[in-house]
Amino acid sequence: GENVEQHPSTLSVQEGDSAVIKCTYSDSASNYFPWYKQELGKRPQLIIDIRSNVGEKKDQRIAVTLNKTAKHFSLHITETQPEDSAVYFCAASGNQGGKLIFGQGTELSVKP
Amino acid sequence: GAVVSQHPSRVICKSGTSVKIECRSLDFQATTMFWYRQFPKQSLMLMATSNEGSKATYEQGVEKDKFLINHASLTLSTLTVTSAHPEDSSFYICSARSPTGGSRNTEAFFGQGTRLTVV
Repeated sequence: GENVEQHPSTLSVQEGDSAVIKCTYSDSASNYFPWYKQELGKRPQLIIDIRSNVGEKKDQRIAVTLNKTAKHFSLHITETQPEDSAVYFCAASGNQGGKLIFGQGTELSVKP
Repeated sequence: GAVVSQHPSRVICKSGTSVKIECRSLDFQATTMFWYRQFPKQSLMLMATSNEGSKATYEQGVEKDKFLINHASLTLSTLTVTSAHPEDSSFYICSARSPTGGSRNTEAFFGQGTRLTVV
């Protein structure tokens, strides 16, 4: 089955700096790669997603890149703000009944 | 976007009792729903895939007799934690994929989650 690895587990940046979180996946059949932001005790919130027919997608300060050959994808947050502080999860989904497999998570801390 | 509602949001039960958690898709039909468990400071671990009208598919290591899943309608899946023990205390969360386009590579919508505490 699919296995998703996420790094780093914790990331601390100064306000205004950029943050990058990286994930790798194992199943070459995976074709959907969402990123979620989760605040303590809350449900995950989708912040951006990318499908396998696209190499890069951007939404304001957030961008995701996908390298299918290397089977890795990354989340880029620019001009970070304290309210970006949360746990971020990557996930992958393919032809396995639609289930999402999550990475281990990255705790992002943005210091004012 | 589509709405998935989960109930209850919090539950405390005594060791040895059973607890039922409901997951409803409010504005779309979901033939498949997914149940995850999340321990503190850990990731969402997929427990099982709930299939409407048929048996659930459990992930390796998940006890199907302990975590009973029923998906009797296109809008409701239930997870029952049977004979709960303190180690079952966790955050349980369900999800369903958006039906838009009928493709599997569509957005997943999550319920609010259920914080289960077994005392």
